[in-house]
Amino acid sequence: KQEVTQIPAALSVPEGENLVLNCSFTDSAIYNLQWFRQDPGKGLTSLLLIQSSQREQTSGRLNASLDKSSGRSTLYIAASQPGDSATYLCAVSGYAGNNRKLIWGLGTSLAVNP
Amino acid sequence: GAVVSQHPSRVICKSGTSVKIECRSLDFQATTMFWYRQFPKQSLMLMATSNEGSKATYEQGVEKDKFLINHASLTLSTLTVTSAHPEDSSFYICSAMGLADTQYFGPGTRLTVL
Repeated sequence: KQEVTQIPAALSVPEGENLVLNCSFTDSAIYNLQWFRQDPGKGLTSLLLIQSSQREQTSGRLNASLDKSSGRSTLYIAASQPGDSATYLCAVSGYAGNNRKLIWGLGTSLAVNP
Repeated sequence: GAVVSQHPSRVICKSGTSVKIECRSLDFQATTMFWYRQFPKQSLMLMATSNEGSKATYEQGVEKDKFLINHASLTLSTLTVTSAHPEDSSFYICSAMGLADTQYFGPGTRLTVL
């Protein structure tokens, strides 16, 4: 059974810092891995999607890496800003049929202080 | 592109009434949609997978007679919470599966049952 863990659960940093959020999963047979952002009381915004054949994806100040063999992904945020404050969720999906549903981590709550 | 809407965004109802939540993919067709619920400070919990033209597949522990799902078209799925009770109060989020099996999420519906 796939399990997803995110570390740390919460993070508070001063503005401008580079930071790394971690996601680990127990079953390496994944189809893809996604990072999402959720603001309080709001829905989800997809940040980056990494297919199982890929090693990393980049979007602006965000970079996500994937190491399937070790069951790990990291989300790197460069030059953090107060607007980056949100909960970041990691989710993985399996290959086919019922396994295509997303398995979620509990998230990392990020606070970037001005 | 790939926008998903939910209606209503907030609903307050009396205990014992039924509430319908709509999930629409606005600019793409989705044969598969997912319904999640989220409790405060917790991650998303998949309730059911909704397939156009067929019965929904419910996750273990989710009562199908309590949470009625109808995927009537390739752009619309509805979740009806029947005979709602205060413990059904939660944040309900839908997603629609688009190209490359990417899930696009709606903004969520906050249900409060008095």
